[in-house]
Amino acid sequence: QKEVEQNSGPLSVPEGAIASLNCTYSDRGSQSFFWYRQYSGKSPELIMSIYSNGDKEDGRFTAQLNKASQYVSLLIRDSQPSDSATYLCAVSIIQGAQKLVFGQGTRLTINP
Amino acid sequence: DVKVTQSSRYLVKRTGEKVFLECVQDMDHENMFWYRQDPGLGLRLIYFSYDVKMKEKGDIPEGYSVSREKKERFSLILESASTNQTSMYLCAVGRGNQPQHFGDGTRLSIL
Repeated sequence: QKEVEQNSGPLSVPEGAIASLNCTYSDRGSQSFFWYRQYSGKSPELIMSIYSNGDKEDGRFTAQLNKASQYVSLLIRDSQPSDSATYLCAVSIIQGAQKLVFGQGTRLTINP
Repeated sequence: DVKVTQSSRYLVKRTGEKVFLECVQDMDHENMFWYRQDPGLGLRLIYFSYDVKMKEKGDIPEGYSVSREKKERFSLILESASTNQTSMYLCAVGRGNQPQHFGDGTRLSIL
């Protein structure tokens, strides 16, 4: 069973601080890693993709990947109330097509 | 941007009915997926397709079937709807090692 583990939260962070979201995965063969944001009642929206070890920055978001430790994280700098959402970590496996295994999600609340 | 259109945002059906959920994409991506999402259970893959007329079972295919007659359209069929199939259904499309993009979802209630 391929697994992706996230802390379900809720994670509460003051406005303007850094929010740190973590994810571990079990399949060492995984090559692609994604972070999705999901607002209540809405569908998941892609915010970051990362394919190689190290950091990838996009605006206030930084994704970090460590394949040796099977760990991927998402940092949100200068957190805003609009960042309050559930964040889903997704890890690829190849079975015919590239499938994604999703974590349960971390609920993040940014407090003004 | 990939546009993924699901036929209904909200749907109410009765137990025993045959239910069709439609998903259409505009980007010629080969892979299409159907998930359901339930509180506490996360996103679970029902079926996926990597080409026209090709389909593969996901983690929870029981009670469902799919159809992909054209590349842009992937249909999920509940053969005989039951109350435990009340859920949010999400269609996603993808290509190669690129991320999947989701439709807006269909919130289905079976009474």
